[in-house]
Amino acid sequence: QKEVEQNSGPLSVPEGAIASLNCTYSDRVSQSFFWYRQYSGKSPELIMSIYSNGDKEDGRFTAQLNKASQYVSLLIRDSQPSDSATYLCAVEGGGTSYGKLTFGQGTILTVHP
Amino acid sequence: EAGVAQSPRYKIIEKRQSVAFWCNPISGHATLYWYQQILGQGPKLLIQFQNNGVVDDSQLPKDRFSAERLKGVDSTLKIQPAKLEDSAVYLCASSRRVAGGQFFGPGTRLTVL
Repeated sequence: QKEVEQNSGPLSVPEGAIASLNCTYSDRVSQSFFWYRQYSGKSPELIMSIYSNGDKEDGRFTAQLNKASQYVSLLIRDSQPSDSATYLCAVEGGGTSYGKLTFGQGTILTVHP
Repeated sequence: EAGVAQSPRYKIIEKRQSVAFWCNPISGHATLYWYQQILGQGPKLLIQFQNNGVVDDSQLPKDRFSAERLKGVDSTLKIQPAKLEDSAVYLCASSRRVAGGQFFGPGTRLTVL
């Protein structure tokens, strides 16, 4: 069973701080990794994708990937109350699972003023 | 560009009744997915279509769930008969190709009484 595990939450940070969200995965042949944001009562929204080792920055968001450690993270700088949501890590399988996304259980982030 | 459309947004039925959900993907997206999301969990893939062919339906409970994608565009997901444990949000997503980021519709919240 290929699994995706996210750090247990909920995570609470003050406004302006850095929020760090972590995810580990079990399928070594996974090639693509995604972060989705899901507001309460809404559907998941794609916010970041990363395909190679290292960092990828997009505005206040930085995704980090380490395939050797099977670890992917999302950093949110200068956190805002509007960032309060559930963040879902999704891993795209390789081999016979090519194109199939497996989601983690999500981490609830609360940014308090 | 219009997003993924789904209907209905909400549905309440009695157990053992049947229900159908409809999805229209983003124009030009060949791949369509149906997910089930139970409260507090990440989405779980039920079925994946490439054009009008099934790519993966390994997690679809085929004794009660069925899905089709006629002409490679719209899709319907049916549950017959429904059970209490089918209460969840049913999400439709699409992507331009088999692999890559997926974009979700607003979902259908199903309550089975």
